[in-house]
Amino acid sequence: DAGVIQSPRHEVTEMGQEVTLRCKPISGHDYLFWYRQTMMRGLELLIYFNNNVPIDDSGMPEDRFSAKMPNASFSTLKIQPSEPRDSAVYFCASSFGRVGNTIYFGEGSWLTVV
Amino acid sequence: GENVEQHPSTLSVQEGDSAVIKCTYSDSASNYFPWYKQELGKRPQLIIDIRSNVGEKKDQRIAVTLNKTAKHFSLHITETQPEDSAVYFCATGGGNKLTFGTGTQLKVEL
Repeated sequence: DAGVIQSPRHEVTEMGQEVTLRCKPISGHDYLFWYRQTMMRGLELLIYFNNNVPIDDSGMPEDRFSAKMPNASFSTLKIQPSEPRDSAVYFCASSFGRVGNTIYFGEGSWLTVV
Repeated sequence: GENVEQHPSTLSVQEGDSAVIKCTYSDSASNYFPWYKQELGKRPQLIIDIRSNVGEKKDQRIAVTLNKTAKHFSLHITETQPEDSAVYFCATGGGNKLTFGTGTQLKVEL
């Protein structure tokens, strides 16, 4: 398996623009997680899905952020409008079953908002 | 929600020495405790984990100990090597998600 696949790997965008990050989880995994990593706040869980259904979005910073999972092999994280403070590395991760099974991370999407 | 504290934030050791990183947590329902290693510019990767019914687990040069009563767990790396230099994250899990510590930057000096 190719692992968790994220795109784009790097994105530089201007403040106010819409940003869409994409993720393909490992085949067969039923949990998908979106994390954000910054120097100041570390690794923060934004939202996670189980069987394509959003379970906990309490980590989503504000209404500018939204996430979808239309099917078992694809998820998006959208920021609209983007702001400089959204600059971070966004990781998608997936696992099979409940916590206690390994969570596998993608390579991350490095976002810079100028 | 769960609160995970990790110490130290930075750690510098000489090659061959041991390194110890400690984490404390608040949620007594947590029952899964993984450690992740993140090299510069790379993704976090699981290196070892322990469940609440076990007090210690070892895998070659790395080991994890858990004290559920005191709500703390530690990562031990022996005979450190330059390739051990990275950021290490502890995490706790209970239910369906992990909460991560703030990370420890480990530097192994020659």
